[in-house]
Amino acid sequence: QQPVQSPQAVILREGEDAVINCSSSKALYSVHWYRQKHGEAPVFLMILLKGGEQKGHEKISASFNEKKQQSSLYLTASQLSYSGTYFCGTENPGGEYGNKLVFGAGTILRVKS
Amino acid sequence: DGGITQSPKYLFRKEGQNVTLSCEQNLNHDAMYWYRQDPGQGLRLIYYSQIVNDFQKGDIAEGYSVSREKKESFPLTVTSAQKNPTAFYLCASRAGGYNEQFFGPGTRLTVL
Repeated sequence: QQPVQSPQAVILREGEDAVINCSSSKALYSVHWYRQKHGEAPVFLMILLKGGEQKGHEKISASFNEKKQQSSLYLTASQLSYSGTYFCGTENPGGEYGNKLVFGAGTILRVKS
Repeated sequence: DGGITQSPKYLFRKEGQNVTLSCEQNLNHDAMYWYRQDPGQGLRLIYYSQIVNDFQKGDIAEGYSVSREKKESFPLTVTSAQKNPTAFYLCASRAGGYNEQFFGPGTRLTVL
């Protein structure tokens, strides 16, 4: 099942903050966050693993609530370069090689000057 | 530099022709994936492979085929059975275990 992202779209002015949420109906092992600019490939931002481990860009912060099967991405002091579509990809517990990611529909973020 | 390459960047084909999209990685990753993205849409999984000589269907495998004869290569063939093949195709790879997944630059396929 596809995770649900909210909001669908958000418009910010430079310097404002935003939170993007990702919610799953199934137990999660990890949540992955990506940003995609128009016409380009998604760029990896962060991975959050069950148990609290995180890997990603130091200027990006996110949380993972295993019990609620939810993750949130926090964008603070937004810059024009933050504009794009943000996707979360969720992963259920799987075998040795992990499991396939299932992506949400995306959240469109636009930062205005 | 390690990375994922996809070629070509743009591809035009006539309706009814099969076409093969290339994906190569030199990251020594075990797992590789193919996604399809339509305008304004999310990423839908076509096929994935977690080890050489093995692959599994994703959510929208009909009309597509893949092979995984080498660890670094995972070509995707869009066959004439795919009813609406015009889309942006993304290849991705991932090391074993629960690690980051990285995407290639994509191939934009247009069927005329």
